[in-house]
Amino acid sequence: GNSVTQMEGPVTLSEEAFLTINCTYTATGYPSLFWYVQYPGEGLQLLLKATKADDKGSNKGFEATYRKETTSFHLEKGSVQVSDSAVYFCASISGGYQKVTFGTGTKLQVIP
Amino acid sequence: NAGVTQTPKFRVLKTGQSMTLLCAQDMNHEYMYWYRQDPGMGLRLIHYSVGEGTTAKGEVPDGYNVSRLKKQNFLLGLESAAPSQTSVYFCASSPNPGGGLNTGELFFGEGSRLTVL
Repeated sequence: GNSVTQMEGPVTLSEEAFLTINCTYTATGYPSLFWYVQYPGEGLQLLLKATKADDKGSNKGFEATYRKETTSFHLEKGSVQVSDSAVYFCASISGGYQKVTFGTGTKLQVIP
Repeated sequence: NAGVTQTPKFRVLKTGQSMTLLCAQDMNHEYMYWYRQDPGMGLRLIHYSVGEGTTAKGEVPDGYNVSRLKKQNFLLGLESAAPSQTSVYFCASSPNPGGGLNTGELFFGEGSRLTVL
């Protein structure tokens, strides 16, 4: 089945630094890809998505481009804020009925 | 806006005890899911339901049972808890987009932390 592999954390950055969190996928065909975010003490929420190759998903200053040549969907943000501190999960559709497979998560800590 | 509500939020059990986690959603979603979250392993699907009265196994179903007697509720049961079931459990729901489509947008509860001693 489909799977995603994302970089291990934790990642610690200073405020206004550039963020990249790597994610690669393994799939039959070209599944929709997602980034979810989990703020402390909360459930996951969808951050952005891309449904086909070369699509760019974006939200709240975060971006990720679906690249089939490198089977990647890296998350980027040009200038992180303390409020971006959270755990970020790369994910893909893994079957019908909206079943989603999640990566292991990358914890981001942004320090002032 | 309640969304997805899980109860209880915390529970400590002894090995062999039973318990039920309750998930309730007020968004009239067709699909509901139970995941467990463990360090270094991300979220893994335990069971899911595609409608009232239906359930199906996910990736790690052993040791758990589920029921969906009402559309808005999805219960996760542990009949005989084991230390390996110590985890944070998340319930999620999703609308049926129709047409065989998958939007991948799940709506999560805040989680239930279970410790089995």
